[in-house]
Amino acid sequence: QSVLTQPPSASGTPGQRVTISCSGSNSNIGSNNVNWYQQLPGTAPKLLIYSNNQRPSGVPDRFSGSKSGTSASLAISGLQSEDEADYYCAAWDDSLNAWVFGGGTKLTVL
Amino acid sequence: QVQLVESGGGLVKPGGSLRLSCAASGFTFSDYYLTWIRQAPGKGLEWVSYISSSSTYTIYADSVKGRFTISRDNAKNSVYLQMNSLRAEDTAVYYCARLSMNQEYFQHWGQGTLVTVSS
Repeated sequence: QSVLTQPPSASGTPGQRVTISCSGSNSNIGSNNVNWYQQLPGTAPKLLIYSNNQRPSGVPDRFSGSKSGTSASLAISGLQSEDEADYYCAAWDDSLNAWVFGGGTKLTVL
Repeated sequence: QVQLVESGGGLVKPGGSLRLSCAASGFTFSDYYLTWIRQAPGKGLEWVSYISSSSTYTIYADSVKGRFTISRDNAKNSVYLQMNSLRAEDTAVYYCARLSMNQEYFQHWGQGTLVTVSS
């Protein structure tokens, strides 16, 4: 059971917009920044969004992040086949004194 | 460019020990916190431990506290994870990652090394 809660799966057709939610609590998302990681099949995770809504250089602006209260979301617009991957949210937890992850969301492009 | 290369994974019996290494290049190693994150087969990501830039601070997940030890050698641009009393549930790919300068996110990841604990 992960500390942060994500839907196990999401899907969309090419060109669509999809969102992935990440729910936490006051001790993690409620008081710290949220980061998102993308893991393409068979590869290591890669930073996708940091500090709630910032994109590292090289990440397309089709990817965006937001945070409100104890929840965060990742939005992917103009969905492409190469976006098919697992997506993880993460945040520092002040109570656990540890980094915590969501369980991951497997995105399928139909 | 930033590179992190893990090594030392393999098959070990329950109760055994293993030492993972992560060799870094492409940045000023002594300026950054480093961390280990693992992923059991077919499962999600689990943070394991981190170490501050000068080794002053180390923090561990409850699941490994007392069994794993993180360390670093800034002269060798390397970070290590000594794993003792290994259990079947420690079986995972172990990733080394560099934190951002403000220690708020995992900015760069290695390719991972597989540890299998089985008799």
